[in-house]
Amino acid sequence: SQELEQSPQSLIVQEGKNLTINCTSSKTLYGLYWYKQKYGEGLIFLMMLQKGGEEKSHEKITAKLDEKKQQSSLHITASQPSHAGIYLCGAHRRDDKIIFGKGTRLHILP
Amino acid sequence: DTAVSQTPKYLVTQMGNDKSIKCEQNLGHDTMYWYKQDSKKFLKIMFSYNNKELIINETVPNRFSPKSPDKAHLNLHINSLELGDSAVYFCASSQLQGSTEAFFGQGTRLTVV
Repeated sequence: SQELEQSPQSLIVQEGKNLTINCTSSKTLYGLYWYKQKYGEGLIFLMMLQKGGEEKSHEKITAKLDEKKQQSSLHITASQPSHAGIYLCGAHRRDDKIIFGKGTRLHILP
Repeated sequence: DTAVSQTPKYLVTQMGNDKSIKCEQNLGHDTMYWYKQDSKKFLKIMFSYNNKELIINETVPNRFSPKSPDKAHLNLHINSLELGDSAVYFCASSQLQGSTEAFFGQGTRLTVV
């Protein structure tokens, strides 16, 4: 069955540094979502990517979907404490089910 | 205005009890979902409803029964609660099944003691 692999599982970066989180699938994705979860809170929708090669930005967060639609990366520029949390990638499978990666736990050091 | 709202936010109950979690969306979406997030933060889909009709029913115990009285509501009823049911349960909705982003509720943290 298709699964989403996220890497790294955990990430600790100094405030102000850039970072990248990856999400990889063995099969073509039909819609790729990035969510953020603050510890103990609900999920916040960040971005959705549908087309191969698509790139979207929101404030200091940029997400890209590769041409084959099997890999997405989330890039944060000049990280801030407010970026800390768990980042989840989710995607639609061919049968319309939504699946999620296991998440990347991001810590920002002051 | 809360798009997808779940109640209660926290639920602590004893083993063997029956409990319900309610979910309502005011987005006019056609599809609603229930997800379970375990202690390792992994989200797993449980059910999906489209216009009050069950679409996805993953392998979950029969003790879990979703009920959709109308398109805007999808409630989750759990019978004979077990310790392993402790988790955060998320409700979500989307406009068309599989085509747009899903909006999530805040989650219900269920603790079975």
